[in-house]
Amino acid sequence: GQQVMQIPQYQHVQEGEDFTTYCNSSTTLSNIQWYKQRPGGHPVFLIQLVKSGEVKKQKRLTFQFGEAKKNSSLHITATQTTDVGTYFCAASLNRDDKIIFGKGTRLHILP
Amino acid sequence: DGGITQSPKYLFRKEGQNVTLSCEQNLNHDAMYWYRQDPGQGLRLIYYSQIVNDFQKGDIAEGYSVSREKKESFPLTVTSAQKNPTAFYLCASSFSGGYNEQFFGPGTRLTVL
Repeated sequence: GQQVMQIPQYQHVQEGEDFTTYCNSSTTLSNIQWYKQRPGGHPVFLIQLVKSGEVKKQKRLTFQFGEAKKNSSLHITATQTTDVGTYFCAASLNRDDKIIFGKGTRLHILP
Repeated sequence: DGGITQSPKYLFRKEGQNVTLSCEQNLNHDAMYWYRQDPGQGLRLIYYSQIVNDFQKGDIAEGYSVSREKKESFPLTVTSAQKNPTAFYLCASSFSGGYNEQFFGPGTRLTVL
């Protein structure tokens, strides 16, 4: 079935460094959603990208959807301890399909 | 106060017993989902329902059963046939279609002794 591959699986960064997680698919996607799950918590929706080449920003977070709509990235500038958690991408092949989650990238911040 | 609730937060059961996890939402969402999450792992879809009285198997449905008799409720039963039931179970809901964000409940951590 459809798979959404997310890399890296784990990432350790020094506080203040940047962080990027990538989401890739072999097929064209209809949309990409990003979620964050804090340790011990539940996933919370961050943003959705729909258009080819779309870029959206939320403070220090930048989300990008590839031109071919087969990949996406989440970039965090100058990480803070509050950024700790697991970041999931999720995507669907078409508007009426349910979304499929990637396996997530777990971010650890070193003080 | 709108939202999605799961109960209980922690659940302990003896091996061989069936157990039912509760999930309720008052967001008027058509679709509801059950995911399983193991330590350090992603979200694996167990079952989902897009309308009352209808549901579909996800990627790991074996050993689980669900019902959707009401729009607001989507209980999950972990049966004794599930070989490794100890996990964190997350329920989610959304309006139908992949363009709608999913709202997650706080989760139930099931431990089978």
